[in-house]
Amino acid sequence: DTGVSQDPRHKITKRGQNVTFRCDPISEHNRLYWYRQTLGQGPEFLTYFQNEAQLEKSRLLSDRFSAERPKGSFSTLEIQRTEQGDSAMYLCASSQSNLRGGGGYTFGSGTRLTVV
Amino acid sequence: SQKIEQNSEALNIQEGKTATLTCNYTNYSPAYLQWYRQDPGRGPVFLLLIRENEKEKRKERLKVTFDTTLKQSLFHITASQPADSATYLCALVVTGGGNKLTFGTGTQLKVEL
Repeated sequence: DTGVSQDPRHKITKRGQNVTFRCDPISEHNRLYWYRQTLGQGPEFLTYFQNEAQLEKSRLLSDRFSAERPKGSFSTLEIQRTEQGDSAMYLCASSQSNLRGGGGYTFGSGTRLTVV
Repeated sequence: SQKIEQNSEALNIQEGKTATLTCNYTNYSPAYLQWYRQDPGRGPVFLLLIRENEKEKRKERLKVTFDTTLKQSLFHITASQPADSATYLCALVVTGGGNKLTFGTGTQLKVEL
């Protein structure tokens, strides 16, 4: 297992198009998180899954965003009708819930989205 | 309102010196606090975790302190090296929040020869 994988690394799309990103977490990790990061800011929480259940979604998250983790393994994040303000780095992370104190997250390298 | 503040200005230090980065938080009761390193174009990398009942944690050249009265954590890198140059993020976890991390904005550290 080589860590958390995200695909694609870069995505350029026209405003109004739909995009989908994929995340493959560390196989033993049952928790999966999506974050968004813009330049000069820390990562901002979007949503998280424990196994296949989506347990929390940020109140800031527009209805245009949806995430799935159908079999408790990989996850997808879809953005519909993209806007220029969606341009950011989208980060996926995974962790194991049975660690006391949670332990650290393992992040992927992210997907850089540019909406033109 | 809830805030996690880190020095927004970059910190420049000379090789071999100790770098000290600050993380202050407001209106949070964290169960624990984590520090991450982030290089340009990459995801954050976990460095250290410290719990609310711990005062200090060390790992090799890294040291973290946690003062829940001052609502502050300090992150130290001793004998700094140019390879330590990166952005350092602190993040809080609140009990019952599913281990969801809330991040500060990060401090950029540059270690010069």
